[in-house]
Amino acid sequence: DAKTTQPNSMESNEEEPVHLPCNHSTISGTDYIHWYRQLPSQGPEYVIHGLTSNVNNRMASLAIAEDRKSSTLILHRATLRDAAVYYCILRDLPNSGNTPLVFGKGTRLSVIA
Amino acid sequence: EAQVTQNPRYLITVTGKKLTVTCSQNMNHEYMSWYRQDPGLGLRQIYYSMNVEVTDKGDVPEGYKVSRKEKRNFPLILESPSPNQTSLYFCASSLSRRMNTEAFFGQGTRLTVV
Repeated sequence: DAKTTQPNSMESNEEEPVHLPCNHSTISGTDYIHWYRQLPSQGPEYVIHGLTSNVNNRMASLAIAEDRKSSTLILHRATLRDAAVYYCILRDLPNSGNTPLVFGKGTRLSVIA
Repeated sequence: EAQVTQNPRYLITVTGKKLTVTCSQNMNHEYMSWYRQDPGLGLRQIYYSMNVEVTDKGDVPEGYKVSRKEKRNFPLILESPSPNQTSLYFCASSLSRRMNTEAFFGQGTRLTVV
């Protein structure tokens, strides 16, 4: 499985933009890049996903490098409720047909008021 | 409201006493999974189901069983729980197993086996 590398932790001030990086240098052409987050005492929550082009939704933006070896999750204005562990996950379709989400250690984002 | 519901949220049990953790989704999703989350190990898939009556092992299936008799329900069964199954469990569902679909997770079940 292609692996991802994320910083262990990051800190942001409230109402400022946050850029969460993810390296995935061994990504294959069919891997989708997914981001999930896990707030304290809750289950993981989908944030955004993309393949090649940058993506925007109501929660965040995903910027994907042209060579697809890295991506950045952008929270445009961090709030205290955004404090969570953010996971960057590559998702492919192996021969087995099973597509589990493989969670690494993620980045723990702290937001300071 | 679209959701995945797990019950119970917390459970303390004794070694060897059979238990079932229920999972139900109201989105007519085909693909459902169970994960366990342990400190330092992240989330690992236990079992998955691609549709009714179609289930298969994930990465850590030992000691667990599942069933998928109806599309909405995917219970996790521990026939003879042991202390090493003390963990935080999450059920997840998605429309299909395609790589471009989002997964919805339940709130989790914290299980302690003494």
